[in-house]
Amino acid sequence: DIVMTQGVLPNPVPSGESASITCRSSKSLVYKDGKTYLNWFLQRPGQSPQLLTYWMSTRASGVSDRFSGSGSGTYFTLKISRVRAEDAGVYYCQQVREYPLTFGSGTKLEIK
Amino acid sequence: EVQLVETGGGLVQPGRSLKLSCVASGFTFSSYWMYWIRQAPGKGLEWVSSINTDGGSTYYPDSVKGRFTISRDNAENTVYLQMNSLRSEDTATYYCAKSFDYWGQGVMVTVSS
Repeated sequence: DIVMTQGVLPNPVPSGESASITCRSSKSLVYKDGKTYLNWFLQRPGQSPQLLTYWMSTRASGVSDRFSGSGSGTYFTLKISRVRAEDAGVYYCQQVREYPLTFGSGTKLEIK
Repeated sequence: EVQLVETGGGLVQPGRSLKLSCVASGFTFSSYWMYWIRQAPGKGLEWVSSINTDGGSTYYPDSVKGRFTISRDNAENTVYLQMNSLRSEDTATYYCAKSFDYWGQGVMVTVSS
């Protein structure tokens, strides 16, 4: 199984600053079509997860351009620019490169 | 507007069965893979099952394989999760999702005697 390992943020992050969340996979997530099969989600307190980016760097519909995904085949970063109170919650990375699909353990973002 | 509404959760004894339903609206249901994902209280997300557009291909992690069955009825815009031989570790909020871009509100399943 592909293991997804997420980093920890130095919380809380001051409003208006940037935050970068890291995720590492135990195997390359690049498929033969050239796409990198990595999703990022935000789960706000008491809510269902929301897709932020897919194929590592493509923003989902309606997602602010303050969120940007980047990375290589096994190391990924979600950057949040000018953080706002509404960005608080737990961020998850997920690989959809192969079964079983796996999530990282989550990274909590608190805003000051 | 895409909507996914899960029902069927509740309290069930270990070893018993439960069937979850997820009714979809706002998109062409038969064109999308559907998923179930769960979240134990205070824990992270765990993928539970996937089903392709015509229901001919299904996938499960080892933790539920042989006990859970995903199915769909494209005429009724509904995806199901039949859960048998339930264990205490299956206690979680269960979400259905359309291609991971839309999620339902979740339904709680508690397995306890």
